Amino acid sequence: GDSVTQMEGPVTLSEEAFLTINCTYTATGYPSLFWYVQYPGEGLQLLLKATKADDKGSNKGFEATYRKETTSFHLEKGSVQVSDSAVYFCALSLNDYKLSFGAGTTVTVRA
Amino acid sequence: GAVVSQHPSRVICKSGTSVKIECRSLDFQATTMFWYRQFPKQSLMLMATSNEGSKATYEQGVEKDKFLINHASLTLSTLTVTSAHPEDSSFYICSARDLKGSTDTQYFGPGTRLTVL
Repeated sequence: GDSVTQMEGPVTLSEEAFLTINCTYTATGYPSLFWYVQYPGEGLQLLLKATKADDKGSNKGFEATYRKETTSFHLEKGSVQVSDSAVYFCALSLNDYKLSFGAGTTVTVRA
Repeated sequence: GAVVSQHPSRVICKSGTSVKIECRSLDFQATTMFWYRQFPKQSLMLMATSNEGSKATYEQGVEKDKFLINHASLTLSTLTVTSAHPEDSSFYICSARDLKGSTDTQYFGPGTRLTVL
């Protein structure tokens, strides 16, 4: 079935460090790919998305590129801040808009 | 941005009782809402798709008679856990699909922590 695998956390970084969270997927069709973020005490929020191969999603300094050849959608940010501390979820969706999520990666940024 | 609320945020109940969880889209109409379950340190698992005015569609392995879903209006879906048992203890999250304008985005509620004693 369709599934998403993302790197296990937790990840702890210092401010201004480079962040990468790996995400790979398995899908029978051509999915849309998403990164969601969950800040402490809040619901999941869409961070960015890409709907076809080679698309790059970006938001708040985060980027991810839809790589069909490697079935990946890795999340990157060049310089993290304390406010980026959260749980990040990679997800995919096919035509029925149902989301399949990865396990989530907890990121803690220290000042 | 769009807001989805859930009530209650936490609930503790005795085994054998039923618990109702509400999911509301506060500033948009949602013809489709989704219910997820999340176990500790695990991913969100889709339980069912709730469509306004029609029966919910359940994912494989989810008992429809145990997890009753009602989507009576365009802003409210409810999940009732019937005859709850300790293994039903979990974090339940809903999302609402907003089709406004050119976007098709799901907005998530903050979740409901259910503990069954």
